[in-house]
Amino acid sequence: NAGVTQTPKFQVLKTGQSMTLQCAQDMNHNSMYWYRQDPGMGLRLIYYSASEGTTDKGEVPNGYNVSRLNKREFSLRLESAAPSQTSVYFCASSATVYPDEQYFGPGTRLTVT
Amino acid sequence: QKEVEQNSGPLSVPEGAIASLNCTYSDRGSQSFFWYRQYSGKSPELIMSIYSNGDKEDGRFTAQLNKASQYVSLLIRDSQPSDSATYLCAVIDTGTASKLTFGTGTRLQVTL
Repeated sequence: NAGVTQTPKFQVLKTGQSMTLQCAQDMNHNSMYWYRQDPGMGLRLIYYSASEGTTDKGEVPNGYNVSRLNKREFSLRLESAAPSQTSVYFCASSATVYPDEQYFGPGTRLTVT
Repeated sequence: QKEVEQNSGPLSVPEGAIASLNCTYSDRGSQSFFWYRQYSGKSPELIMSIYSNGDKEDGRFTAQLNKASQYVSLLIRDSQPSDSATYLCAVIDTGTASKLTFGTGTRLQVTL
């Protein structure tokens, strides 16, 4: 039981490049989330998926797109990376929408130059 | 804007002492409250959840919730050097059933 896994662990992009961050969970959770964490800003929600087939914007969705591929997988895409997207990205999952306890993956450290 | 406030610290306590971490939140309708521990360079790890007023104990950890004062705290008894980490308070707000709002965290240092 691996919990929540994320790939890649580290990535360096040039401005304007695109990439997809992958997330998978093996806990049979319904809900999945993408956060970014920046120094002094705390964790901020980018997008979430309450259940398979649905996605919704969080606090900071601009510049990102998501896909809930199936119940296990939830990907985050940066179409045209910008230096402001340099951050640590965490995927999380939870069993139920409310109340929920969210469990986090190990994170992806992204640098955009 | 709904907010979760924490003192950034660092909070320094000697080994064996009680560490007290505090959090206030702005949305009076908030229903669910969580404490996460985050070691440097690692992901947040859930350590406590609390939904009702009062205390909830789990081993050396006690979460305390006072909805009237919009205040939630975490007590760590018999603090160990391995407890040195950043502790994040998180709240599910009214009407945002899927969304956690996080505080910026309190850094705890347990000294020998």
